[in-house]
Amino acid sequence: DIQMTQSPSSLSASVGDTVIITCRASQTLFSYLNWYQQKPGKAPRLLIYAASSLESGVPSRFSGSGSGTDFTLTISSLQLDDFATYYCQQSYSTPLTFGGGTKVDIK
Amino acid sequence: EVQLVESGGGLVQPGGSRRLSCAASGFTFSSYWMHWVRQVPGKGLVWVSRINHDGTRTTYADSVKGRFTVSRDNAKSIMYLQMTSLRAEDTAVYYCARGLIRWSEDAFDLWGHGTLVTVSS
Repeated sequence: DIQMTQSPSSLSASVGDTVIITCRASQTLFSYLNWYQQKPGKAPRLLIYAASSLESGVPSRFSGSGSGTDFTLTISSLQLDDFATYYCQQSYSTPLTFGGGTKVDIK
Repeated sequence: EVQLVESGGGLVQPGGSRRLSCAASGFTFSSYWMHWVRQVPGKGLVWVSRINHDGTRTTYADSVKGRFTVSRDNAKSIMYLQMTSLRAEDTAVYYCARGLIRWSEDAFDLWGHGTLVTVSS
């Protein structure tokens, strides 16, 4: 199974900050890496697929980069609506696996 | 409206069975791979199972293989998850999710609201 390691597991930030979340895979994923946002009591929402492609309707302050085993999600100019938990997920091989999550809260 | 709606959750005794349903609307259900993903409240996301667009291919996580069965009825636009031999560790919110058709069927671009299954005596 491919292990996905996210860091940090939590962070505190202020509105307007730039936030960077990293995700490392235990083997190469090429670009088969996706990012999701989840708010309490809600279903996850796809933000980024194929490592860097922005899902329709997602604000452009979200961006993804990386390939192989190391990936990043960047949130530029953090907004109040962005305080949530973020997960990476590999879609290279089954079993599909998620990172442990990064909780972004208000400083 | 494009949506997925899960149902069938509830309290089940250890060793018992339960069938979850995921009703799709607003899109051509038969064109998409579909998935089940679960989440213990307060914990992370765990992929459970997937089924291809016509129901001929299924895949499972090792933790549920042999106990859970995924199926679909494209005429009704419904996916099912038949769960048997349930254990306490199966307690979770179960989400159905749609595979992303335009790149990888194993990314999830539409999610239901989830249904809670609690396995307890």
